[in-house]
Amino acid sequence: KAGVTQTPRYLIKTRGQQVTLSCSPISGHRSVSWYQQTPGQGLQFLFEYFSETQRNKGNFPGRFSGRQFSNSRSEMNVSTLELGDSALYLCASSFSGNSDSTDTQYFGPGTRLTVL
Amino acid sequence: AQSVTQLGSHVSVSEGALVLLRCNYSSSVPPYLFWYVQYPNQGLQLLLKYTSAATLVKGINGFEAEFKKSETSFHLTKPSAHMSDAAEYFCAVRSGGQNFVFGPGTRLSVLP
Repeated sequence: KAGVTQTPRYLIKTRGQQVTLSCSPISGHRSVSWYQQTPGQGLQFLFEYFSETQRNKGNFPGRFSGRQFSNSRSEMNVSTLELGDSALYLCASSFSGNSDSTDTQYFGPGTRLTVL
Repeated sequence: AQSVTQLGSHVSVSEGALVLLRCNYSSSVPPYLFWYVQYPNQGLQLLLKYTSAATLVKGINGFEAEFKKSETSFHLTKPSAHMSDAAEYFCAVRSGGQNFVFGPGTRLSVLP
């Protein structure tokens, strides 16, 4: 079974631009979560989608948004990029999306975003 | 609220020595606990997870962890370190219907 895929793997943008990142979960997985990873802040939860609905959201400004499609693929968008948005953005998928479950999150390789 | 602390942002061991990476959690309800490993320029890979069955959990690559409720700990161990174990390790907690919360990570170096 193919793993979680993320595109693109690397991205360079300038301040003020917007960016869209894509995540394809493992086949059959309906929950997709997004994380931002930086050396200073570590892994921080952005949001989770299940069946095209946002279930949970982390403490990030409204410039960060996402969506999920009927095939469970997900995109996240960051508008008006700032230098501090430079990070590795990780996507993770899990099977049931039941937040009380013991489902494992499977991570993609991430998208490395650099904002100049 | 739930949280995770990992004592030691960087741990160095000699090849063949015991690996011990510490994780303590805070949770108001019984937690599910996970250890993930991240190699350079890669995503996170699950090593093992505790889901309220056995308190001693065995994972991949010879790693294991023991859930100790009284100490609110879930330390990761491996009897004999290998050079390929050099990576960053993350402890994570999930409880009470909340999302995963990850610790800050511990970078493991293995010296020849």
